[in-house]
Amino acid sequence: AQSVTQPDIHITVSEGASLELRCNYSYGATPYLFWYVQSPGQGLQLLLKYFSGDTLVQGIKGFEAEFKRSQSSFNLRKPSVHWSDAAEYFCAVGIQGAQKLVFGQGTRLTINP
Amino acid sequence: DAGVIQSPRHEVTEMGQEVTLRCKPISGHDYLFWYRQTMMRGLELLIYFNNNVPIDDSGMPEDRFSAKMPNASFSTLKIQPSEPRDSAVYFCASSPISTDLDTQYFGPGTRLTVL
Repeated sequence: AQSVTQPDIHITVSEGASLELRCNYSYGATPYLFWYVQSPGQGLQLLLKYFSGDTLVQGIKGFEAEFKRSQSSFNLRKPSVHWSDAAEYFCAVGIQGAQKLVFGQGTRLTINP
Repeated sequence: DAGVIQSPRHEVTEMGQEVTLRCKPISGHDYLFWYRQTMMRGLELLIYFNNNVPIDDSGMPEDRFSAKMPNASFSTLKIQPSEPRDSAVYFCASSPISTDLDTQYFGPGTRLTVL
């Protein structure tokens, strides 16, 4: 069955520092991969997605993610975080032909001033 | 576009009462999804529709839950009778028609508390 693991439940970084959020997936075919962000009291917003092609994907708000098939990973990165990046981040894998997403448990990001 | 609209934003009810959550998808989107988010179980897909037809309801927890989409611009998720363990944030999302998996656009959610 398809699954997504986000190993880090909570991460704290200082403003201006770099960020990497980990995501590992389990899926038998070529995955469709997504990163969503959820600000407090809000719905989820798409940051970026990978369907095929270049394994380094650029998203909104300065985020990028790299698909590594050999490691079954799709880690999210940002070179310099801002206080406004504090939120919960969800990785998801799409099930082809079914229009379904399977989400990870999420990683809560706290930014220290 | 106004995005996905959900109402109410907050609902507090007592155990045994009927609860109806509402969703208006983005105009032109052919897929509509209902999710539930809890601390214990994370974000779970309950059911999704394509062109107003339920496609997969395998995530609906039990018969107390039902969902309808009478037209392209409106969907409801009903819980009858409600129980305290139904307390969660319920999200509606919509997605445009596509030959392949596409981005889902989420509403702000309804926070349900069952006392």
